[in-house]
Amino acid sequence: EPEVTQTPSHQVTQMGQEVILRCVPISNHLYFYWYRQILGQKVEFLVSFYNNEISEKSEIFDDQFSVERPDGSNFTLKIRSTKLEDSAMYFCASRTGTSTYRGQPQHFGDGTRLSIL
Amino acid sequence: AQKVTQAQTEISVVEKEDVTLDCVYETRDTTYYLFWYKQPPSGELVFLIRRNSFDEQNEISGRYSWNFQKSTSSFNFTITASQVVDSAVYFCALSEARSGGSNYKLTFGKGTLLTVNP
Repeated sequence: EPEVTQTPSHQVTQMGQEVILRCVPISNHLYFYWYRQILGQKVEFLVSFYNNEISEKSEIFDDQFSVERPDGSNFTLKIRSTKLEDSAMYFCASRTGTSTYRGQPQHFGDGTRLSIL
Repeated sequence: AQKVTQAQTEISVVEKEDVTLDCVYETRDTTYYLFWYKQPPSGELVFLIRRNSFDEQNEISGRYSWNFQKSTSSFNFTITASQVVDSAVYFCALSEARSGGSNYKLTFGKGTLLTVNP
């Protein structure tokens, strides 16, 4: 069964450094998302991406964050200058697209655990 | 704004017991979708079930069943004859189907930690 792939599984970075989290969504999916989960807390929406542009972002997704789909397969999340509070599990998700949304489920990757020191 | 509440923080059962996980949601939309995801100790998020707002028929799929009650804004999930491998955090999530948008983000509840003891 096709799946969403995220790399690396664990990233340790010094505060203030830039970090790029990578995702390969399911190949025929058109909608892409990033979520984060601070340890022990709920999963929070960061950003959605469709047709090579951001379709919605949360208040968490400030100027330090950016997303990119540099080629036909990868979908990246960049944090320019990391802070201690960015430590979390980051999930990439994707779903199919049709002309009408009918609740197609989002399929998640295994996550990247980001630890800021 | 959409909101999902899972009042049960933790549930502990003995293997083979039935267990029901509660979920209450808030939305202003008339069309929306509800989901249950499972997060085992390994950390990944696994899609389990989906229900749309215009179909209140409750279903059973193997050991899983769900009870959608639009009148009380609840979407409860039941595992029958629980097994140790069911031990995980279970998240209820809501997606609103607003017209004209392509987002359809998921809003998650805080999750319920289910522990099934042998």
